[in-house]
Amino acid sequence: GDSVTQMEGPVTLSEEAFLTINCTYTATGYPSLFWYVQYPGEGLQLLLKATKADDKGSNKGFEATYRKETTSFHLEKGSVQVSDSAVYFCALSHFRQLTFGSGTQLTVLP
Amino acid sequence: EAGVAQSPRYKIIEKRQSVAFWCNPISGHATLYWYQQILGQGPKLLIQFQNNGVVDDSQLPKDRFSAERLKGVDSTLKIQPAKLEDSAVYLCASSLGGGHEQYFGPGTRLTVT
Repeated sequence: GDSVTQMEGPVTLSEEAFLTINCTYTATGYPSLFWYVQYPGEGLQLLLKATKADDKGSNKGFEATYRKETTSFHLEKGSVQVSDSAVYFCALSHFRQLTFGSGTQLTVLP
Repeated sequence: EAGVAQSPRYKIIEKRQSVAFWCNPISGHATLYWYQQILGQGPKLLIQFQNNGVVDDSQLPKDRFSAERLKGVDSTLKIQPAKLEDSAVYLCASSLGGGHEQYFGPGTRLTVT
């Protein structure tokens, strides 16, 4: 079945550091790919998405490119802020259902 | 626009007791989802409704879990009797329809002792 594997955390960075959170997937066909973010005490929010190979999703300075050849959707940000501290989930949508990775806790220190 | 509402936010019960969670989706959203998120894991879909009909409940432990969505709006998820392994955050989400963006509520954190 479908599955998503993402980089284990926790990840701790200093403000303005470069962020990469790795995500790879296994699925038949051509799923859509997502990154969700969960801030403390809040529900999951969609951060960005890509629906086909080579698409780049971007939002709030975060980017991820749908790489079919490597079945990956790595999340990147050039300069993180303290306010980016949260749990990040990679997910895929296939047959209209979401399959999530296990999440990566990010802490950004001032 | 009001988001997805859930209550209670926290619940502590003893094993073998029963518990119910409530969800009010975003107005006009036809599809409603219940997820279970165990600590350290990603959310896992338990059940999906389209209006008041069940689309998928293949991962719902039907011997102890039940859910309903009367009138195609609010939904309740019940566990009876609870087990220790049911300790998790229960998330409700809604969308305009299947395949559309899902909007998540804040979740209910259940602790079974």
